[in-house]
Amino acid sequence: QVQLVQSGGEVKKPGASVMVSCKASGYTFSNYAITWVRQAPGQGLEWVGWISPYNGHTDYAQSVQGRATMTTDTSTSTAYMELRSLRSDDTGVYYCARDPRIRGSGSYRADYWGLGTLVTVSS
Amino acid sequence: DIQMTQSPSSMSASVGDRLTITCRASQSISTFLNWYQQKPGKAPNLLIYSASTLQGGVSSRFSASGSGTDFTLTINSLLPEDFATYYCEQSYRVPFTFGPGTKVDI
Repeated sequence: QVQLVQSGGEVKKPGASVMVSCKASGYTFSNYAITWVRQAPGQGLEWVGWISPYNGHTDYAQSVQGRATMTTDTSTSTAYMELRSLRSDDTGVYYCARDPRIRGSGSYRADYWGLGTLVTVSS
Repeated sequence: DIQMTQSPSSMSASVGDRLTITCRASQSISTFLNWYQQKPGKAPNLLIYSASTLQGGVSSRFSASGSGTDFTLTINSLLPEDFATYYCEQSYRVPFTFGPGTKVDI
């Protein structure tokens, strides 16, 4: 069965960097994009960005553009999101999720989700 | 960016009720619209994609419709486990954007 297992929670100071990992299993990792969504405490969902393991294509939300880098390691079926120059408003739960379209064909959605990684940015 | 709005922002309902949530896009998004359910402390769960296609394994009590800028999610015969927050998401253009959510209290 499809599973996405995320790394554990992190506490960082403002200006620091964090890397969150998302290890996939149960499907052919290289065929499906991984999307990242975050949720600030008590708030709604915010799309952060995505990466296509099959061609390396990425897109980022304006709120993290220039500070975020999404990568994949197809040898370990793992996706990574690095966020630099952390600010207090980056605090929240970060989810990775799978886009089930084979190589981007069809309508985007996120069908399997990780449990989330809490990133806390505090001095 | 495409802005998404939802109404109502919250609502109370009773078991057995029929419930409708509305989502509106700031520009036409054809049928590139997804619906998710999120329960407290849990990851979102995909209910509907492409505006009206039920995700596999999701109860047929959930249905949705719409195109262009106006969309609806309907839940028939509300059950206690339907207590959750519901989000719409446009998948027409990056950055994909979510509505602010509709919290349903049972």
